[in-house]
Amino acid sequence: EPEVTQTPSHQVTQMGQEVILRCVPISNHLYFYWYRQILGQKVEFLVSFYNNEISEKSEIFDDQFSVERPDGSNFTLKIRSTKLEDSAMYFCASLGLITYEQYFGPGTRLTVT
Amino acid sequence: AQRVTQPEKLLSVFKGAPVELKCNYSYSGSPELFWYVQYSRQRLQLLLRHISRESIKGFTADLNKGETSFHLKKPFAQEEDSAMYYCALSPAHFNKFYFGSGTKLNVKP
Repeated sequence: EPEVTQTPSHQVTQMGQEVILRCVPISNHLYFYWYRQILGQKVEFLVSFYNNEISEKSEIFDDQFSVERPDGSNFTLKIRSTKLEDSAMYFCASLGLITYEQYFGPGTRLTVT
Repeated sequence: AQRVTQPEKLLSVFKGAPVELKCNYSYSGSPELFWYVQYSRQRLQLLLRHISRESIKGFTADLNKGETSFHLKKPFAQEEDSAMYYCALSPAHFNKFYFGSGTKLNVKP
């Protein structure tokens, strides 16, 4: 069964550094998402991406964040200048428009020191 | 505004007992409602959604628009049901999902 993959599984970075989290969605899916989950808190929607552009973004997704689909397979989340409070699990997901089922990746644990 | 509320952080039941995980939502219009499950050391996965009206692994969920609830039920819990359960809501176009804070279900032998 096809799966969403994410790399790296764990990223440690220093405050102020840029990080890029990578995701490979399921190949025939058309909607892509990024979520984050701060330890002990709920899964929070960050952004959705459809037809090569941002479809919706939350208030969390400020100018420090950006998303790209550079090559038709990868889907990346960039945080320009990381803050301590960006430490969280970041999940990528994709959704197919036949079953409308959202498939999640295993997550990237981001630790900002 | 809190869109999805799961009032119980932890629910412990014995094997064979009925289980109900509560979910209430607030959203105008006709959202889509879902239950997701995360088993230990596995990724988040869809359990069921209200539009399909199906039963998965013995679980069912009924959308009650009057009470704005979408509680998840199973008549006889099994140990393998122990997991984290998240209720989620999406506006009709699937461009955004709101998740509840999750309920950890612990089924004791």
